[in-house]
Amino acid sequence: DQQVKQNSPSLSVQEGRISILNCDYTNSMFDYFLWYKKYPAEGPTFLISISSIKDKNEDGRFTVFLNKSAKHLSLHIVPSQPGDSAVYFCAASAMDSSYKLIFGSGTRLLVRP
Amino acid sequence: DAMVIQNPRYQVTQFGKPVTLSCSQTLNHNVMYWYQQKSSQAPKLLFHYYDKDFNNEADTPDNFQSRRPNTSFCFLDIRSPGLGDAAMYLCATSRDSGTAEQFFGPGTRLTVL
Repeated sequence: DQQVKQNSPSLSVQEGRISILNCDYTNSMFDYFLWYKKYPAEGPTFLISISSIKDKNEDGRFTVFLNKSAKHLSLHIVPSQPGDSAVYFCAASAMDSSYKLIFGSGTRLLVRP
Repeated sequence: DAMVIQNPRYQVTQFGKPVTLSCSQTLNHNVMYWYQQKSSQAPKLLFHYYDKDFNNEADTPDNFQSRRPNTSFCFLDIRSPGLGDAAMYLCATSRDSGTAEQFFGPGTRLTVL
């Protein structure tokens, strides 16, 4: 049973526009959420995180929003750049499971020039 | 550059023939993780070491073993690979457990013939 779901396997966006990647989770005990970015032939790299005590965290062009009541988080990239083209993984963790990361299956983002 | 290195990048083995995957790190991190990622699926934690303390996930098959002879190296041993074990195997490290950022290697793609 998938506890973290990324229902869109792929997303295509024009350069300069906003990219919105979505993630849903089922476990209400999750209290820390992360986004990782993966380029081909490389391992995932940490992008941004958010604690459940917040509903928004921003880092440059990247903003993560958390809606705890809906068990939903999203990653906004504004403006999108061709170099953002990659696979984005959402991950969630909980203090009561020693913050073991539970990953979603990823969304492949293509930013068209 | 400090990094997480995985060797080999591609490994082909035969059904039932033991195989060992290698991970090394120059980050001097306390924690090392092994993840399995099957095609288009989420990375799934197999086990991790906090220093020399081994932590196995409950659903990790007995066919998978791990060794950490020192801080820098960690090995994944698959005693009798089956066709279902074909996957990308990702090694990651973190300075500490909890919410500390995990740094991933590029992965080893295992093919079982």
